[in-house]
Amino acid sequence: DAKTTQPPSMDCAEGRAANLPCNHSTISGNEYVYWYRQIHSQGPQYIIHGLKNNETNEMASLIITEDRKSSTLILPHATLRDTAVYYCIVRNDNNNDMRFGAGTRLTVKP
Amino acid sequence: EPEVTQTPSHQVTQMGQEVILRCVPISNHLYFYWYRQILGQKVEFLVSFYNNEISEKSEIFDDQFSVERPDGSNFTLKIRSTKLEDSAMYFCATGGRYGYTFGSGTRLTVV
Repeated sequence: DAKTTQPPSMDCAEGRAANLPCNHSTISGNEYVYWYRQIHSQGPQYIIHGLKNNETNEMASLIITEDRKSSTLILPHATLRDTAVYYCIVRNDNNNDMRFGAGTRLTVKP
Repeated sequence: EPEVTQTPSHQVTQMGQEVILRCVPISNHLYFYWYRQILGQKVEFLVSFYNNEISEKSEIFDDQFSVERPDGSNFTLKIRSTKLEDSAMYFCATGGRYGYTFGSGTRLTVV
């Protein structure tokens, strides 16, 4: 699987959009981009995934660049409960296991 | 919303003892996984299980670890002879082709 690069930490003001970047410059054509988050020591929580088109769900939006070498997870109106470690993972559709990196620790401040 | 259930939530065991961690997957999921997270470190993949056999395992998953679905529903992780360094949160995850659902974890403390 391709590796990803994320900033170790970010801050965001409550109510503002949180934009979390991820670089995956060696991604291959059949690899998806997944985002998970982990709040404190709970189990990781699925947020969203995509292949090449931008995606949106009730939690977030995922913007993938045209060359697919990077992506941005957007939390449109961050709340204090969104404080967590956010993981960007690329995964081959034929490869079952998901490998986590260090992620980005997002702190939402009042 | 369907959940992955893990028991126990917390287990304390003496070094050298065997422990079994249990997971009840979401009913229509076919793929099962175990991960661990040592305090303050990243989530590490241990093993994936599909069609009643291990499909992939990491270098962490050595001979002291084993997995099975003894009754077709529960999915278990056994650690035969625990070591101090096995102290961690152990997460079960189940899923299919597009993403997993994780349980809330078992905190294993080896003393």
